Amino acid sequence: KQEVTQIPAALSVPEGENLVLNCSFTDSAIYNLQWFRQDPGKGLTSLLLIQSSQREQTSGRLNASLDKSSGRSTLYIAASQPGDSATYLCAVDKAAGNKLTFGGGTRVLVKP
Amino acid sequence: GAVVSQHPSRVICKSGTSVKIECRSLDFQATTMFWYRQFPKQSLMLMATSNEGSKATYEQGVEKDKFLINHASLTLSTLTVTSAHPEDSSFYICSARGQGGSGYTFGSGTRLTVV
Repeated sequence: KQEVTQIPAALSVPEGENLVLNCSFTDSAIYNLQWFRQDPGKGLTSLLLIQSSQREQTSGRLNASLDKSSGRSTLYIAASQPGDSATYLCAVDKAAGNKLTFGGGTRVLVKP
Repeated sequence: GAVVSQHPSRVICKSGTSVKIECRSLDFQATTMFWYRQFPKQSLMLMATSNEGSKATYEQGVEKDKFLINHASLTLSTLTVTSAHPEDSSFYICSARGQGGSGYTFGSGTRLTVV
């Protein structure tokens, strides 16, 4: 059974610092890994999707890496801003159209 | 980009009544819809998976007679919480995946409070 773990569970940094969020999964036979952002009381916004054949994806200040063999992904957010405060969730699926297994999330607070 | 519209965003109902939550894919055909439940400060827990035109597949421990899922078209899926009780109070989120193996698009969620 796939298990996804995110460390740390919570993170507080001053504005301008880089953020490093970790995600690990127990079964390396994944199809995609996806990073999401969730604001309080809201749905999920997709940030980056990494296919199993890829090593990283970048979008603006966000960069996500994937090491499938070791079961790890890292989300980097450069030059953090107060607007980056949210919960970040990673999730993996085993096959196209298959269900996502989520990590517990990392709650991020960026202090002005 | 792909958009999933979820309604209502917030609902309060009396214990014993039923509540229907709708999710629509606005600009793509959602061959598969997923329904999640989220408790405060916890991650998402998958309740069921539905494919258009067929019966939903429920996760272990989820009562199919209590949480009725209908996915009658490629753009609409509904979750009906029947005979709601206070312990059903939660945040419910749908997710859709179109054809072609793209990522998942989530609705904005529904906060259900049963009083």
